[in-house]
Amino acid sequence: AQSVTQLDSQVPVFEEAPVELRCNYSSSVSVYLFWYVQYPNQGLQLLLKYLSGSTLVKGINGFEAEFNKSQTSFHLRKPSVHISDTAEYFCAVSAQGGSEKLVFGKGTKLTVNP
Amino acid sequence: DAGVTQSPTHLIKTRGQHVTLRCSPISGHKSVSWYQQVLGQGPQFIFQYYEKEERGRGNFPDRFSARQFPNYSSELNVNALLLGDSALYLCASSRGWETQYFGPGTRLLVL
Repeated sequence: AQSVTQLDSQVPVFEEAPVELRCNYSSSVSVYLFWYVQYPNQGLQLLLKYLSGSTLVKGINGFEAEFNKSQTSFHLRKPSVHISDTAEYFCAVSAQGGSEKLVFGKGTKLTVNP
Repeated sequence: DAGVTQSPTHLIKTRGQHVTLRCSPISGHKSVSWYQQVLGQGPQFIFQYYEKEERGRGNFPDRFSARQFPNYSSELNVNALLLGDSALYLCASSRGWETQYFGPGTRLLVL
């Protein structure tokens, strides 16, 4: 079974500041890793994913994440945030070769202040 | 191409009633998954269907059931609704491996 821990439930930052949202996972098998964003009263939008290959992955809206297998982490970063980045961010894992079931963390609420 | 679509967008039911939620996947996607997202939590996996067969089931009671049709659209049915079933129900589609794309969800309120 897999589990995901998002270490911060809320992250407030000022506009144009850098941000890092932390995600750690646990799994006995190899996994795929994902970050999704959810704006108020909307569904989930895929930000980026790690399937294999380069451990640094780039996504939409200037976000990137780095897969660290030894630390079982997949932290999300953005060098300069905008007001429009205010949203809930979810880290998720699925087992490679499995049923494709996604296991989500509890989410991190990112609030960007002017 | 159109994304994943879900209907209805909002729904209000009373305890004990039955509800049917509908989902149409992205064109070319053969897999549909359903998730429940309670307020303030991450989504929880309910079902996955691939090529009309159940591929996975989460830890939900038998009141929850689903099916997938020949055109790959899907229905989620919930019987004997409880107050605790109030949530955002998300549908996701994929080609059957790797990456799921989510619809806007159906918000269910049980009174």
